[in-house]
Amino acid sequence: EAGVAQSPRYKIIEKRQSVAFWCNPISGHATLYWYQQILGQGPKLLIQFQNNGVVDDSQLPKDRFSAERLKGVDSTLKIQPAKLEDSAVYLCASSLEAGTGINEQFFGPGTRLTVL
Amino acid sequence: AQSVSQHNHHVILSEAASLELGCNYSYGGTVNLFWYVQYPGQHLQLLLKYFSGDPLVKGIKGFEAEFIKSKFSFNLRKPSVQWSDTAEYFCAVNAAGRRALTFGSGTRLQVQP
Repeated sequence: EAGVAQSPRYKIIEKRQSVAFWCNPISGHATLYWYQQILGQGPKLLIQFQNNGVVDDSQLPKDRFSAERLKGVDSTLKIQPAKLEDSAVYLCASSLEAGTGINEQFFGPGTRLTVL
Repeated sequence: AQSVSQHNHHVILSEAASLELGCNYSYGGTVNLFWYVQYPGQHLQLLLKYFSGDPLVKGIKGFEAEFIKSKFSFNLRKPSVQWSDTAEYFCAVNAAGRRALTFGSGTRLQVQP
């Protein structure tokens, strides 16, 4: 079974530039998550989709971050404009269950963003 | 809001030593509990999980964890570590009915041969 795919793996940009990350979840997984992991910290949820609808974006800095999941499959996360504090690893995860209950999330390799 | 504390940030052990990593969470309701592991250069993988039933759960590679509800704890244990267990370990929680995970800050385990 193919895992969660993410690209690019690494990205270096200057502050105030924009950047986009792509995620392809495991086939058939209804729920998709984006997490931000700053060095020395655990992953923090940015946004959660169920199919192509947003379930939770309460921790997404909406003035600069946006995300979409068209057709309920792939997802993109965008930052515009980037700030120095956005330097982190951006993790995508997916899970099979569409309803409430038991949840095992499968993680992608992440995109390491460095903002200079 | 729920939170997770992992008090050991960096642990160094010799091979064959026993391991216990602490995890405490704050949430008053029913929770699901997880331990994830990230080996060097690899992505996060599920080590074990607790949803209900026997509070002692066994995971892959000889790991186990015990849920103690009265202490809001879910400590990870392994009787005898190996060099290949060198990794970062994350405890995570989600409230029943909510799928997103709240992670602790992680514990970096270094096993010396």
